[in-house]
Amino acid sequence: EAQVTQNPRYLITVTGKKLTVTCSQNMNHEYMSWYRQDPGLGLRQIYYSMNVEVTDKGDVPEGYKVSRKEKRNFPLILESPSPNQTSLYFCASSSGQGAMPQHFGDGTRLSIL
Amino acid sequence: EDKVVQSPLSLVVHEGDTVTLNCSYEVTNFRSLLWYKQEKKAPTFLFMLTSSGIEKKSGRLSSILDKKELFSILNITTTQTGDSAVYLCAASTNNDMRFGAGTRLTVKP
Repeated sequence: EAQVTQNPRYLITVTGKKLTVTCSQNMNHEYMSWYRQDPGLGLRQIYYSMNVEVTDKGDVPEGYKVSRKEKRNFPLILESPSPNQTSLYFCASSSGQGAMPQHFGDGTRLSIL
Repeated sequence: EDKVVQSPLSLVVHEGDTVTLNCSYEVTNFRSLLWYKQEKKAPTFLFMLTSSGIEKKSGRLSSILDKKELFSILNITTTQTGDSAVYLCAASTNNDMRFGAGTRLTVKP
């Protein structure tokens, strides 16, 4: 089954404690992206990757890092999480460039205390 | 600055009503306009529109794009309670996708 898998699905943690949210897709997609979703603001892009070793900033990259060492994986790293990063996070992937419909993971709800 | 604006932000209707959701965009290097439906979890893809004036239909849902006036509409006829969701539109460029804030549709029995 074609899918985008995120882990963990839920996480409550404390300010400053480094965390990683993993994202994996099994569709051999070149393009992967991370979004955060906050009430009234819709989905805002954090980082995207056009292919292996190619990443670029989206609209709200501050406080986040990503890497794309393999085509299937695109982890999101919060080196020093802060309460304003409490949000619902989605990973997505698509074939080709960003214009194609994206497949979304089920989301990761992060709470930073 | 690129932006995508959806209206209304929230809408409550009764089963059987027809609704029209709006999406306007100002995006550099625009390629296509996409609509997604989001219930409890991940957004699911509905339509992708690239050309002006060509309606796309799927059952009771349809959508059209106007590239001159920079907007799109999503129509849902004979609404059902299962249509209750947040509907997101997104404008894609060569590299990324910019989403609107969404329209929350509630369909009452």
